[in-house]
Amino acid sequence: QKEVEQNSGPLSVPEGAIASLNCTYSDRGSQSFFWYRQYSGKSPELIMFIYSNGDKEDGRFTAQLNKASQYVSLLIRDSQPSDSATYLCAVKEGSQGNLIFGKGTKLSVKP
Amino acid sequence: DTGVSQDPRHKITKRGQNVTFRCDPISEHNRLYWYRQTLGQGPEFLTYFQNEAQLEKSRLLSDRFSAERPKGSFSTLEIQRTEQGDSAMYLCASSLEPAILPSYEQYFGPGTRLTVT
Repeated sequence: QKEVEQNSGPLSVPEGAIASLNCTYSDRGSQSFFWYRQYSGKSPELIMFIYSNGDKEDGRFTAQLNKASQYVSLLIRDSQPSDSATYLCAVKEGSQGNLIFGKGTKLSVKP
Repeated sequence: DTGVSQDPRHKITKRGQNVTFRCDPISEHNRLYWYRQTLGQGPEFLTYFQNEAQLEKSRLLSDRFSAERPKGSFSTLEIQRTEQGDSAMYLCASSLEPAILPSYEQYFGPGTRLTVT
């Protein structure tokens, strides 16, 4: 059973701080990794994807991938109250194409 | 392009009734996926299509569920003889694969929230 694990939170950070969200996955053959943001009652919104080891930066977001440790993380710099949401880590399952999701980490950014 | 659309956005039905949901993917996307999400869980994969071919079905997709994508454009998901356990958000996503550039991102529609009473 291929799995994606995330801490459910809630993770609470003050406004302006760095939020660090972590994810581990079980399938060593996985090649594609995604972070989605989901507001309550809404559908997931893609915010970052990463395919290669190392860091990938996009604005206030940085995704980090370590395939040897089977670990993906998302850093949110200068966190804003509007970043308060559930963040879903997803891993593409081999050649099939479907995503395997973690349960998500709920982030709360306090003003 | 307006993104992935789904219809209806909400559906309330009585146990035992049949329901059908529609998904229109991003126009140039050749892959279409269906997921189901319950409260406190991440989306769970149900099935996906490459153009009109249904390539994979999850074990979650019981024989009461059927999906079609007849012309490789929109897709429908039908649930027959609904049960209370079918209450969930049904999400559709699309992607373009293979792509000129490595591009395997899936973009989700707004979802259809099903409540079975």
